[in-house]
Amino acid sequence: EDQVTQSPEALRLQEGESSSLNCSYTVSGLRGLFWYRQDPGKGPEFLFTLYSAGEEKEKERLKATLTKKESFLHITAPKPEDSATYLCAVQAEGYQKVTFGIGTKLQVIP
Amino acid sequence: DTGVSQDPRHKITKRGQNVTFRCDPISEHNRLYWYRQTLGQGPEFLTYFQNEAQLEKSRLLSDRFSAERPKGSFSTLEIQRTEQGDSAMYLCASSSDPRGDEQYFGPGTRLTVT
Repeated sequence: EDQVTQSPEALRLQEGESSSLNCSYTVSGLRGLFWYRQDPGKGPEFLFTLYSAGEEKEKERLKATLTKKESFLHITAPKPEDSATYLCAVQAEGYQKVTFGIGTKLQVIP
Repeated sequence: DTGVSQDPRHKITKRGQNVTFRCDPISEHNRLYWYRQTLGQGPEFLTYFQNEAQLEKSRLLSDRFSAERPKGSFSTLEIQRTEQGDSAMYLCASSSDPRGDEQYFGPGTRLTVT
């Protein structure tokens, strides 16, 4: 069974204080690892897809990296508008099912 | 492009009643997904459609749940004989990506079973 574990469950940062969110996963044949952002009361919003170990993707203050066992979402100089829950998910080769972790709730304080 | 829409946004029902939710995906998105999310958890995959064909369903999905996507456009999710454990946010997502990677989620339907 595919599993995704995210840490920490909650993170509080001062504006401008960079940090990283961790996503550990087990999957039989990774086809893709995804990062989504979810604001309260809304559906998740797609951020990145990573396909293979060593791959990196960036978008504004966010950078996602992937190894064979985990992924990191690095947040550089965060702003209050980056406050949200960040979800990591994996998909196994040959399946459409996407398995999500419980997320990291990020709060950025001005 | 108005995004994925879901109706209703909120539904309160009594245990044992049947409920039906509707999802309108982004036009021309041939892939459609249903998820369930409870408080403090990530979305849980329920089922997947490619056009009108239901190609994948969660093994954990009860027989009380059924989904359709007639004509490959909107989709409906029906829950029969609702139970209190069915209370959750039901999310729909669509994608045009051949790999189904970039999924666009709707705002969800919040179901409360009393």
